[in-house]
Amino acid sequence: NAGVTQTPKFQVLKTGQSMTLQCAQDMNHNSMYWYRQDPGMGLRLIYYSASEGTTDKGEVPNGYNVSRLNKREFSLRLESAAPSQTSVYFCASSVTTTGGRETQYFGPGTRLLVL
Amino acid sequence: GNSVTQMEGPVTLSEEAFLTINCTYTATGYPSLFWYVQYPGEGLQLLLKATKADDKGSNKGFEATYRKETTSFHLEKGSVQVSDSAVYFCALSDQGSARQLTFGSGTQLTVLP
Repeated sequence: NAGVTQTPKFQVLKTGQSMTLQCAQDMNHNSMYWYRQDPGMGLRLIYYSASEGTTDKGEVPNGYNVSRLNKREFSLRLESAAPSQTSVYFCASSVTTTGGRETQYFGPGTRLLVL
Repeated sequence: GNSVTQMEGPVTLSEEAFLTINCTYTATGYPSLFWYVQYPGEGLQLLLKATKADDKGSNKGFEATYRKETTSFHLEKGSVQVSDSAVYFCALSDQGSARQLTFGSGTQLTVLP
């Protein structure tokens, strides 16, 4: 049981390049999330997917797209990377616990540097 | 909207000292409250949680009590260890359809031997 896995661990891009960050979970969770973490700002939600086939914007969606490929996988795509997207990206998944209170489980993160 | 305010760090303590990291929140309704910990170079791990008023979450010697009257969820540990050095995040989730987590900005804790 690997939990939430993310690839790659680290990536350097030039401005304007595109890339896809991959996330997979093996916990049979319905909901999946993408966050970015910037110094002094905690984590901010980019996109989330409440179930297979659905996606919704979070707090900071501009410049990103997502795909919920199946129940296990949720990818984040940067079509044209900008230096402002330099950050650490975390994927998470969640299960609904008793009373509808969800606990999110996080992957190890992807460090992205855009030059 | 929802918000979480944590005490600013960094916090530096000697081993076996008492730890308190303050967290207050603003939310509509009755959110669930969480503390996550991030060790250097790793992702976030759930440390503890509480889902209703007066609940106490506890794990690994850490405790936090959900105080609705003061909208607080302060993290405490009676005797910290060097291995507790990490960044601690307070977070809340409401019962809205988004089920989103709102995070505080994080508090860096360093414990010296």
